Amino acid sequence: NAGVMQNPRHLVRRRGQEARLRCSPMKGHSHVYWYRQLPEEGLKFMVYLQKENIIDESGMPKERFSAEFPKEGPSILRIQQVVRGDSAAYFCASSPDRRGSEAFFGQGTRLTVV
Amino acid sequence: DQQVKQNSPSLSVQEGRISILNCDYTNSMFDYFLWYKKYPAEGPTFLISISSIKDKNEDGRFTVFLNKSAKHLSLHIVPSQPGDSAVYFCAAVFQGGSEKLVFGKGTKLTVNP
Repeated sequence: NAGVMQNPRHLVRRRGQEARLRCSPMKGHSHVYWYRQLPEEGLKFMVYLQKENIIDESGMPKERFSAEFPKEGPSILRIQQVVRGDSAAYFCASSPDRRGSEAFFGQGTRLTVV
Repeated sequence: DQQVKQNSPSLSVQEGRISILNCDYTNSMFDYFLWYKKYPAEGPTFLISISSIKDKNEDGRFTVFLNKSAKHLSLHIVPSQPGDSAVYFCAAVFQGGSEKLVFGKGTKLTVNP
């Protein structure tokens, strides 16, 4: 039973490019949370999605960031026109239902903007 | 505003001794608390949790204490082992909403052989 899979593990983008981060939840999980960890900080909630629905995006920056979780395929966190301040580790967590406290985390994608 | 605070960025203890990691929170709406362990380049892994209706939860070498009146919780590891060396995050959640976790900044624990 594979865990939460995130890819790529490392992503380097130049300023102004787009970054796409993928998260495949555990089998049977239909709820996905995305968190961001800036250097020397704790993880901060970004968005909570259920299949085909955004439930809570209160932690998402208003511009350039978007997320989706289609009926088929992984959840995608998309960052347009990346800036240096977007450099961080991005983690997703999945759960079988609306219990974020029981979600399992993936290994993260480390985004570096140069 | 930091709703969950871990005021000690690092802690160093000797193998076999007790490690005590502390966490304070400000939002009285939180009703469930968790501790995660994180190794470099890996995701957080769940360690232990406690509901706000309890004041103690124990799992093997790990015990979490909750003092609601002081809005304070602590994680005790006894005895500490070198493999416990990692960053420990305290997290809080309000159950019933979207259940997003609110994390502290973490405490880096080093257990010396």
